Amino acid sequence: NAGVTQTPKFRVLKTGQSMTLLCAQDMNHEYMYWYRQDPGMGLRLIHYSVGEGTTAKGEVPDGYNVSRLKKQNFLLGLESAAPSQTSVYFCASSQTGYNEQFFGPGTRLTVL
Amino acid sequence: DAKTTQPTSMDCAEGRAANLPCNHSTISGNEYVYWYRQIHSQGPQYIIHGLKNNETNEMASLIITEDRKSSTLILPHATLRDTAVYYCIVRVYYGGSQGNLIFGKGTKLSVKP
Repeated sequence: NAGVTQTPKFRVLKTGQSMTLLCAQDMNHEYMYWYRQDPGMGLRLIHYSVGEGTTAKGEVPDGYNVSRLKKQNFLLGLESAAPSQTSVYFCASSQTGYNEQFFGPGTRLTVL
Repeated sequence: DAKTTQPTSMDCAEGRAANLPCNHSTISGNEYVYWYRQIHSQGPQYIIHGLKNNETNEMASLIITEDRKSSTLILPHATLRDTAVYYCIVRVYYGGSQGNLIFGKGTKLSVKP
């Protein structure tokens, strides 16, 4: 099993550009999450999903949108990138809201 | 905000036990203590969790004080590969929870030869 995978691994954007980060899991998990991590900080929750077709806001949702059209995929979109969105983005999944979360390897995004 | 307090950094000699403390004095009766670690900017990795009894798995042991206001993660025989940032997290454990983890800054553990 691949576990949780993220695409792409690295990306550089110019201010105002848009992009979509893809997270995929092959563990048939119900819950999926998007976090961001800034230098010297812990992870902060952006959005999450408790099942296919559902999404909800986390701690820092502004400037991001998400979709969960298929159970195994969770997409994070930036419609108009800003330098403040330069960060490392981690996706995670879990079977329930209290089971251990499995994390992907991260996407390093730089917005110039 | 994170509900835990951890030392910023710790050192440990290779082959010795690493004991990582965590204070969670405001923990509620239905909150569990979870430990994750993050090796060199990789995605965090689950280690162990517990409510009030001591727990052990293949990676580590978790000792929770009787009043549940603090805990210690023990890596019995630390190796260089255990060098990482260790996060202590308290969260409710029940069905239907959104499940998000609230990360603090963690403890940077450096295992030295």
